[in-house]
Amino acid sequence: ETGVTQTPRHLVMGMTNKKSLKCEQHLGHNAMYWYKQSAKKPLELMFVYNFKEQTENNSVPSRFSPECPNSSHLFLHLHTLQPEDSALYLCASSQDWGTGNEKLFFGSGTQLSVL
Amino acid sequence: GQNIDQPTEMTATEGAIVQINCTYQTSGFNGLFWYQQHAGEAPTFLSYNVLDGLEEKGRFSSFLSRSKGYSYLLLKELQMKDSASYLCAGGDSNYQLIWGAGTKLIIKP
Repeated sequence: ETGVTQTPRHLVMGMTNKKSLKCEQHLGHNAMYWYKQSAKKPLELMFVYNFKEQTENNSVPSRFSPECPNSSHLFLHLHTLQPEDSALYLCASSQDWGTGNEKLFFGSGTQLSVL
Repeated sequence: GQNIDQPTEMTATEGAIVQINCTYQTSGFNGLFWYQQHAGEAPTFLSYNVLDGLEEKGRFSSFLSRSKGYSYLLLKELQMKDSASYLCAGGDSNYQLIWGAGTKLIIKP
């Protein structure tokens, strides 16, 4: 099994749809992250969960709603998205959070297209 | 403000050496990371530098100068599989990672 698994790999949705992205890590890590990656732009941190508790929410619009039921699973619920939300959404995990030198393990991402 | 700068794209020849530069401006400093990302795949960790100097790992080496706010990734004996994007990220005093936009490296035969 790969360390961090994301599903689906690709998603096309209309602006009125509701969908969810799923992430699972098999590394026994305590922290999980959602990042947005747009072409030729830096990675944007969206949310961080440490021991299932949300520790970071970087001014993300409410149309993105994260859920972390346990330290191994992370979801990103999507509703009424905009075309500019089209991007690669990456999940990552790390052993700990808050030390500044966490090594991140990423999933392969969900390529999202909003029509 | 906080900023990480790296070239958008570089081209090199198989078997050669290439150096990818990264300059950073962060509030405080908590180490510098390099990640490799092949197209359509997950970024993977390459190196972490927190002290000045060169760290070597096989064909890849990473250098840091804290006084100059500068790092580079050195790739030797380039192989076609090294074609990828290389992401530079710096940790700030709030333990946040500030990311560069990535350098796309194209290797030609």
